[in-house]
Amino acid sequence: RKEVEQDPGPFNVPEGATVAFNCTYSNSASQSFFWYRQDCRKEPKLLMSVYSSGNEDGRFTAQLNRASQYISLLIRDSKLSDSATYLCVVNTNAGKSTFGDGTTLTVKP
Amino acid sequence: DAGVIQSPRHEVTEMGQEVTLRCKPISGHDYLFWYRQTMMRGLELLIYFNNNVPIDDSGMPEDRFSAKMPNASFSTLKIQPSEPRDSAVYFCASSTTGLPNEKLFFGSGTQLSVL
Repeated sequence: RKEVEQDPGPFNVPEGATVAFNCTYSNSASQSFFWYRQDCRKEPKLLMSVYSSGNEDGRFTAQLNRASQYISLLIRDSKLSDSATYLCVVNTNAGKSTFGDGTTLTVKP
Repeated sequence: DAGVIQSPRHEVTEMGQEVTLRCKPISGHDYLFWYRQTMMRGLELLIYFNNNVPIDDSGMPEDRFSAKMPNASFSTLKIQPSEPRDSAVYFCASSTTGLPNEKLFFGSGTQLSVL
């Protein structure tokens, strides 16, 4: 079993739709959590951190459930420019980042 | 800041040849990470350094792979001899502290093709 598992996708949604991605992690000692975005043939870039209380950044909402070892990302009013692969990332206390395989989102006109 | 700089952007080589990938981290960043990305295995951590010292190389696939960081501004990942299954995108990333809540800054990657 992989340390970090994500919805396999792909997700194909129309503009304006709301879409949610899920991620589970197996290491209960994990300390911090992130969502990264990766565009085709580009490097991953940080989208947002994920806090225990949940957090929003514009149209993006991230949530963490430590008891269930589960992270989610919600995108509201999706735009064409949101099309990308979204990577769930989990850090251990040793500072090691483990990436999920990513979920691909395509937003269509 | 110029960001993390990797070279070359693309490398095409023949099986059995030595390949050297290069990385310059962001100035002031104490941690440097080498990742490999493939369709089959996703993004895998190969090795990371703290203050030029290798901390965890458990992700290095085999003895053909080696990494060095001779100073704070330069690291290399070497594959000798290279094999077709080494074909992948290799990313270098750096961060300031390596603490759990520290984000990674990635370079643009090196697309390696071993024929």
